[in-house]
Amino acid sequence: GDSVTQMEGPVTLSEEAFLTINCTYTATGYPSLFWYVQYPGEGLQLLLKATKADDKGSNKGFEATYRKETTSFHLEKGSVQVSDSAVYFCALSDLGAQKLVFGQGTRLTINP
Amino acid sequence: DTAVSQTPKYLVTQMGNDKSIKCEQNLGHDTMYWYKQDSKKFLKIMFSYNNKELIINETVPNRFSPKSPDKAHLNLHINSLELGDSAVYFCASSQVGAGYSENTQYFGPGTRLTVL
Repeated sequence: GDSVTQMEGPVTLSEEAFLTINCTYTATGYPSLFWYVQYPGEGLQLLLKATKADDKGSNKGFEATYRKETTSFHLEKGSVQVSDSAVYFCALSDLGAQKLVFGQGTRLTINP
Repeated sequence: DTAVSQTPKYLVTQMGNDKSIKCEQNLGHDTMYWYKQDSKKFLKIMFSYNNKELIINETVPNRFSPKSPDKAHLNLHINSLELGDSAVYFCASSQVGAGYSENTQYFGPGTRLTVL
């Protein structure tokens, strides 16, 4: 079945550092890809998405590019802030299955 | 103007009790979902409903029974609660139908269930 694998956490960075969180997927069809963020004590918020190969999703300084050849959707940000501390989830959706399949989540902590 | 809302936010109860969690969305979506997030933050689909019809039931124990009175509401009833049911339960909704090429889901704030 479909699956998503994220880099192991936790990840700790200093403010203004460059961030990469790796995400790779396995899917039989042509899924849409998503990054969700969960801030402490809160629910899941959609951060960005891409629906087809070579699409780039972006929001709040975060970017991710749908790479079909490497089945990847890595999350990047050029300069992180303390307020970016959260758990980040990569997910895919095969429209036919009508469900999201999530990676295990990566906890990010940014120190001032 | 909350898009997806859940009640209650916290639920603490004893083993063996029966409890319900309610979910409502005002986005006009036709599909709603329940996900379970365990203590390690792993998220897994439990159920999905499209226009009040059950679409997905991911090998969830039959102590869990979803009910969709209309397409804006999806409630989750749990019978005979067990310790292992302690988790955060998230409701979500999306628009899935002809003309839609993706399945962007919007999540509620979650209900933290603690079974003692």
